[in-house]
Amino acid sequence: DTGVSQNPRHKITKRGQNVTFRCDPISEHNRLYWYRQTLGQGPEFLTYFQNEAQLEKSRLLSDRFSAERPKGSFSTLEIQRTEQGDSAMYLCASSVQETQYFGPGTRLLVL
Amino acid sequence: LAKTTQPISMDSYEGQEVNITCSHNNIATNDYITWYQQFPSQGPRFIIQGYKTKVTNEVASLFIPADRKSSTLSLPRVSLSDTAVYYCLVGDKQGIKTIFGAGTRLFVKA
Repeated sequence: DTGVSQNPRHKITKRGQNVTFRCDPISEHNRLYWYRQTLGQGPEFLTYFQNEAQLEKSRLLSDRFSAERPKGSFSTLEIQRTEQGDSAMYLCASSVQETQYFGPGTRLLVL
Repeated sequence: LAKTTQPISMDSYEGQEVNITCSHNNIATNDYITWYQQFPSQGPRFIIQGYKTKVTNEVASLFIPADRKSSTLSLPRVSLSDTAVYYCLVGDKQGIKTIFGAGTRLFVKA
């Protein structure tokens, strides 16, 4: 069991640039989740996939954010026209049933 | 979606038992109670999950009273490495739109 992996682990970008993060879930986990976490706060739910279908999206997921899971395996989260307020840790989790297993996160800093 | 309330922080000493209580007055019939641990710059790590009564695993116990409006995470004989943030969550079976609160910051002192 290799666990959930996320790449890159760190990303520094300039305001207005686009960034893309990747999440590789645990094999055979059909559910995949994205969260955002800012300093001192708990993770905030962004979106949820069951296999390749995106079934839930938070209101936090503005139109600058898009997530995909094209083959029901890995997922990508893209942020277009980044803003300084997008600076946060972006966490991915996967599950089969109730228990979610989290990756190490991608820390984004928008300058 | 049920909201949870936990103490903001707790202090303890090595070797002591730590109990962190979480209230979730609006828990739904199908909701499970899950606790996660998070170290700085890491993703949350699953600790324990339960539906009712008592659940125990190799790292913790979870006590849930009959009304399920609260739950208590018990960490036996904590060590310095247990210093972390502990989150209590309630959610449906699918774990969709899981709501994390601010968590409880546990400081274990030597």
